[in-house]
Amino acid sequence: DQQVKQNSPSLSVQEGRISILNCDYTNSMFDYFLWYKKYPAEGPTFLISISSIKDKNEDGRFTVFLNKSAKHLSLHIVPSQPGDSAVYFCAASSQTGANNLFFGTGTRLTVIP
Amino acid sequence: NAGVTQTPKFRVLKTGQSMTLLCAQDMNHEYMYWYRQDPGMGLRLIHYSVGEGTTAKGEVPDGYNVSRLKKQNFLLGLESAAPSQTSVYFCASSPRAKNIQYFGAGTRLSVL
Repeated sequence: DQQVKQNSPSLSVQEGRISILNCDYTNSMFDYFLWYKKYPAEGPTFLISISSIKDKNEDGRFTVFLNKSAKHLSLHIVPSQPGDSAVYFCAASSQTGANNLFFGTGTRLTVIP
Repeated sequence: NAGVTQTPKFRVLKTGQSMTLLCAQDMNHEYMYWYRQDPGMGLRLIHYSVGEGTTAKGEVPDGYNVSRLKKQNFLLGLESAAPSQTSVYFCASSPRAKNIQYFGAGTRLSVL
């Protein structure tokens, strides 16, 4: 059963506007969450993360929000740029053991110039 | 700085053939992982290793074996390839104290 879910397979946004990518999880043991970005024919690249002791983490144009009670997190990209067009994966882990990650199915973001 | 390097990048096998995928990392990371990515299913963990000489099963280990004889290398083996193993395989590594994984560029495998 999928423990991390990204229910939107794709998203299109105009350049300069905000992109919001969503992720839900079911396992209450998860306490660390990450977003990865993937271009075609490349491996996933780490983008931003958040620990469960926080509800927001910001890095430049990228902000991740965590709502533990709803088991929901989101990635905001402001302003969106054409170079942001990629597949975004949400991942979750428990900070015990071997740092194993559980991935969502990904959301393909297209930023239209 | 090469990071995580996977070889080969592409491979076509016939059903029943065997092969080994090699992953090498130069970041001195303790942990290493093998994933497969299939359409619509995200990345799923096959096997992982928390140190030289140790391996453990992930979510989808059947049909695969792994070995970690050296800290910097993690090998994924297919003893008798099946069409269901057609996929893109990613290797990753992680330092013990930091819960972030760094990925290689992937190996695209087709089993006919």
